[in-house]
Amino acid sequence: ETGVTQTPRHLVMGMTNKKSLKCEQHLGHNAMYWYKQSAKKPLELMFVYNFKEQTENNSVPSRFSPECPNSSHLFLHLHTLQPEDSALYLCASSQSRTGDTRNIQYFGAGTRLSVL
Amino acid sequence: GNSVTQMEGPVTLSEEAFLTINCTYTATGYPSLFWYVQYPGEGLQLLLKATKADDKGSNKGFEATYRKETTSFHLEKGSVQVSDSAVYFCALSGGDMRFGAGTRLTVKP
Repeated sequence: ETGVTQTPRHLVMGMTNKKSLKCEQHLGHNAMYWYKQSAKKPLELMFVYNFKEQTENNSVPSRFSPECPNSSHLFLHLHTLQPEDSALYLCASSQSRTGDTRNIQYFGAGTRLSVL
Repeated sequence: GNSVTQMEGPVTLSEEAFLTINCTYTATGYPSLFWYVQYPGEGLQLLLKATKADDKGSNKGFEATYRKETTSFHLEKGSVQVSDSAVYFCALSGGDMRFGAGTRLTVKP
């Protein structure tokens, strides 16, 4: 148990569906992250939030929409996804956005998403 | 910018074999270095860290030494077990955290 909880663990959706991924951290951290992990590809940083403000969006398509209502919760809203969006989506949190050890990231177990 | 390069896998070893996974980095300043491990079906977990040159991080029999002169942070274990089968990620921070591409290790009985 890392203190970062992601739900659901598995999700199957059609290309016309709308769904949301949820992440909750119980560590008192101020920064939260969404990553995409696809088979045989490096970990891709998607979004970063620091004190609820989005500080990074790495050219992610608009069919992915993040939301961070408070420092403990992070959502990823999904709509009109493509089959190539099938992947493991990982949430992470850290005490700080930067700094040598304060930005050690703690990860959730991920949501395995399949787009049909 | 800062970056991490780690050896490509997959790596397949027999139980009790010696493990080395190479990691080199490029960074300005003096970053901290990390190894994360991802077991099947799970997220990444911090395995060990080193915050300055010549520091040795260790955990669960794994070790890595921060070598500034060779800009390296190689992961080693003297005797691997089947339960060590996982994907290992080298990472650095000195600003944003940067992850390597991951190395898959399979240990066979």
